[in-house]
Amino acid sequence: GQNIDQPTEMTATEGAIVQINCTYQTSGFNGLFWYQQHAGEAPTFLSYNVLDGLEEKGRFSSFLSRSKGYSYLLLKELQMKDSASYLCAPMDSNYQLIWGAGTKLIIKP
Amino acid sequence: GAVVSQHPSWVICKSGTSVKIECRSLDFQATTMFWYRQFPKQSLMLMATSNEGSKATYEQGVEKDKFLINHASLTLSTLTVTSAHPEDSSFYICSARPASGEQETQYFGPGTRLLVL
Repeated sequence: GQNIDQPTEMTATEGAIVQINCTYQTSGFNGLFWYQQHAGEAPTFLSYNVLDGLEEKGRFSSFLSRSKGYSYLLLKELQMKDSASYLCAPMDSNYQLIWGAGTKLIIKP
Repeated sequence: GAVVSQHPSWVICKSGTSVKIECRSLDFQATTMFWYRQFPKQSLMLMATSNEGSKATYEQGVEKDKFLINHASLTLSTLTVTSAHPEDSSFYICSARPASGEQETQYFGPGTRLLVL
């Protein structure tokens, strides 16, 4: 079956760094997305990895290891506005996004 | 950048009535649009995939006669929740895949919050 595993909740301090891990199992693979979702809002795109390695985009970086079925999202210089849920969503062989429940990130001053 | 809009953003209706939600791609043509539903603190659940000019493909467990989807043009898809009941109260989100571009690309709308009384 298809499965996503990420921590339910994480807490970090403003200005710090946090890494959100995700392991997945899908039927086929066409890349992995990370989305940010604030409460009451739709997801917004953060990153897309289709090849192994690290993709850096400003304060956010995303890593993928296809052989391990593993990805992480790294957030640096955390700001209060980064408090949100972070959704790891791999895409299967039918180009369908597979969604988990996400990781709720709480930033404390 | 590519923009997807949804209308309305909020809707409150009485039980038994029907509600139509529109999803529009504003600056691109979308051959495929996806409809999701999200209950509080849960993951997004794909309800159906609609392709312009053809019938929608519904996910298992989603009643096609209750959730009517029409994708009449390359920029508009509508979801009609017929005979809505309180358990249909949820956050409905659409996304659109551009006609030109990679298959992995989807742009999300801002969502529509439905409350059925």
